[in-house]
Amino acid sequence: QQQVKQSPQSLIVQKGGISIINCAYENTAFDYFPWYQQFPGKGPALLIAIRPDVSEKKEGRFTISFNKSAKQFSLHIMDSQPGDSATYFCAASIGSGNTPLVFGKGTRLSVIA
Amino acid sequence: DSGVTQTPKHLITATGQRVTLRCSPRSGDLSVYWYQQSLDQGLQFLIQYYNGEERAKGNILERFSAQQFPDLHSELNLSSLELGDSALYFCASSPRLYQETQYFGPGTRLLVL
Repeated sequence: QQQVKQSPQSLIVQKGGISIINCAYENTAFDYFPWYQQFPGKGPALLIAIRPDVSEKKEGRFTISFNKSAKQFSLHIMDSQPGDSATYFCAASIGSGNTPLVFGKGTRLSVIA
Repeated sequence: DSGVTQTPKHLITATGQRVTLRCSPRSGDLSVYWYQQSLDQGLQFLIQYYNGEERAKGNILERFSAQQFPDLHSELNLSSLELGDSALYFCASSPRLYQETQYFGPGTRLLVL
C-alpha cells in the first residue's frame, strides 16, 4: 500500500520558471513531511521539511505548501535553475520522526535553459 | 558528502548468489537505515538498527537480513539473489533512535545477472 502518492513522475521546466511537485498522503497520523533531493549517482539529501502546524515554509527558492484538510503538500521551486535538475522525493512520518520515513516514488526534474 | 560511507559502489553477481553490502554511519550516529531504490518502486524502507538492535522493519524479504556491529557499522546480506533484486541500496544514518534528518550514503548499485 502506497501511503504517499507523488506527482508528476517527471517534469521539464524552463530556466527561471516555477517547478511544482505534489504529494498526497492517506494516513492522518503523519505529522512530519520532508522533501529530499537526489542528484545522479548520489544519495538523497534533506532539502526542506514542514509540520502540519504551519501551512507554508520557505527556504530560499524552495517553498513547501501544506493543506491538512486535503491531505496534500507540495514543493515549489521558484526561479528554477539547471542546477536544480535532480530527482525529488516527498516523504512522511509519524510522531516527529518516530517512525521510519515513507517516501513517494519521486519526480525527475529537468530544468532547461 | 554526508559522512556515510557504503561499499562496494557497484556489485555484479549471478542469480542464486549471496552478497554483503556494508555501511559505515556518520561519526556518532547510532541509527542505521537500509533502503532499496528501484525505478518502479522508488525508495523502499527495508530495516533499521539502533545501537546494535533491530528497531523497525519495512518491506524486507526473508532472503535479506541485516545486522549492526558494536562499532556501529552495518551490513545488509542478500541471499538467493533474483533478477528483481537488482537495484540501488542505500544506507542512511541519524544520531538518535528516530531522527527527522537522515543522512544518506552514496549507495551500492547491485546488478543480478
